[in-house]
Amino acid sequence: DIQMTQSPSSLSASVGDRVTITCRASQTISSYLNWYQQRPGKAPNLLIYAASTLQSGVPSRFSGSGSGTDFTLTISSLQPEDFASYFCQQGYSTPRTFGGGTEVEIK
Amino acid sequence: QVQLQESSPGLVKPSETLSLTCTVSGGSISGYYWSWIRQPAGKGLEWIGRISTSENTNYNPSLKSRVTMSVDTSKNQFSLNVNSVTAADTAVYYCARERDYGSGRGLDHWGQGTLVTVSS
Repeated sequence: DIQMTQSPSSLSASVGDRVTITCRASQTISSYLNWYQQRPGKAPNLLIYAASTLQSGVPSRFSGSGSGTDFTLTISSLQPEDFASYFCQQGYSTPRTFGGGTEVEIK
Repeated sequence: QVQLQESSPGLVKPSETLSLTCTVSGGSISGYYWSWIRQPAGKGLEWIGRISTSENTNYNPSLKSRVTMSVDTSKNQFSLNVNSVTAADTAVYYCARERDYGSGRGLDHWGQGTLVTVSS
């Protein structure tokens, strides 16, 4: 199985801050990397697929980069509705695997 | 707009079988892989497996011996069975659609999730 390691596991930030979350795969996954946002009590929501392609309807302050084993999710200017948990997931092979998650909290 | 809705078995006794069905509305079930994912309270996401409408399946090896998935295209439904459940199977269970974008594969539509508790 491909292991996905996300960091940090949590962070505190203020509205307007630039936030970066990283995800590392245990082997190359090309660009088959997705990012999801999950608000409390809700299902995850696909933000970015293929490492850097924004899903329809997702604000442009979200961006993704990387390929191979190292990936980054960036929120350019944190908004109140962005305080949530974020998960990476590889779509390269089965079993699909998720990172452990990053909880973004209000400072 | 595609919507997914899980059935709600709620409480399952230890050693019994957990059965869930996901109903897809607003679009055809054909041409996609349909997935199950679970999340214990306060923890991360675990991929259980997926099934295509031609009944190709992939299961997580951690659960493979206990999991069976099926699909009913006439009803626009797919189902999950997990047998011999224990308290460790207590979680919110989600169904989701996996879309192949060519350049990537992502879970683009999710059900709201249903809490399954294993307890006597």
